[in-house]
Amino acid sequence: GDSVTQTEGQVALSEEDFLTIHCNYSASGYPTLFWYVQYPGEGPQLLFRASRDKEKGSSRGFEATYDKGTTSFHLRKASVQESDSAVYYCALSDLGYQNFYFGKGTSLTVIP
Amino acid sequence: GALVYQYPRRTICKSGTSMRMECQAVGFQATSVAWYRQSPQKTFELIALSTVNSAIKYEQNFTQEKFPISHPNLSFSSMTVLNAYLEDRGLYLCGARISNTGQLYFGEGSKLTVL
Repeated sequence: GDSVTQTEGQVALSEEDFLTIHCNYSASGYPTLFWYVQYPGEGPQLLFRASRDKEKGSSRGFEATYDKGTTSFHLRKASVQESDSAVYYCALSDLGYQNFYFGKGTSLTVIP
Repeated sequence: GALVYQYPRRTICKSGTSMRMECQAVGFQATSVAWYRQSPQKTFELIALSTVNSAIKYEQNFTQEKFPISHPNLSFSSMTVLNAYLEDRGLYLCGARISNTGQLYFGEGSKLTVL
């Protein structure tokens, strides 16, 4: 079945560091890929999505490019801030939007 | 913009009692609603996917008898946790889907604590 695998566990960075959170997916066709962010005490919020090969999603300085060749959608940010501390989820929705799959989440802590 | 309100935000209940939570989509029509439980480790378990005018699809390990869901229209869904026990603790999230994007809009969750 379809699935999403992302960098698991906790990532600790200093402010202005470069961030990469890896996300790889397994699905047939062209699923829609998402990055969500969840701050403490809140529900997940959409950062951005992409649905075609080579499409780049971006928001708040974060970006990811849909790569069908490597089945990846890695999240990157050039310079993280303390306010970026949160849990990040890569997610996938299959064709027809019948199913939705989350990765296990990556907890980012940015140290000022 | 699209918003999803979920309430109550927190409930503390005694073991063996039940808790009902509600999910309201505002500003859009949700073609389907997915109910999740988030563990303390932050992973998501899909409980069920509810589509208006269709049968509710429960995932393995979750049943209608334990987690009955009502989804009467395109803006409202509710789920009850019946006979809650310690293993039912967690943050319950509803995600409302807009059909043309596949995106889920989430509420802030209903946190269940069982004593």
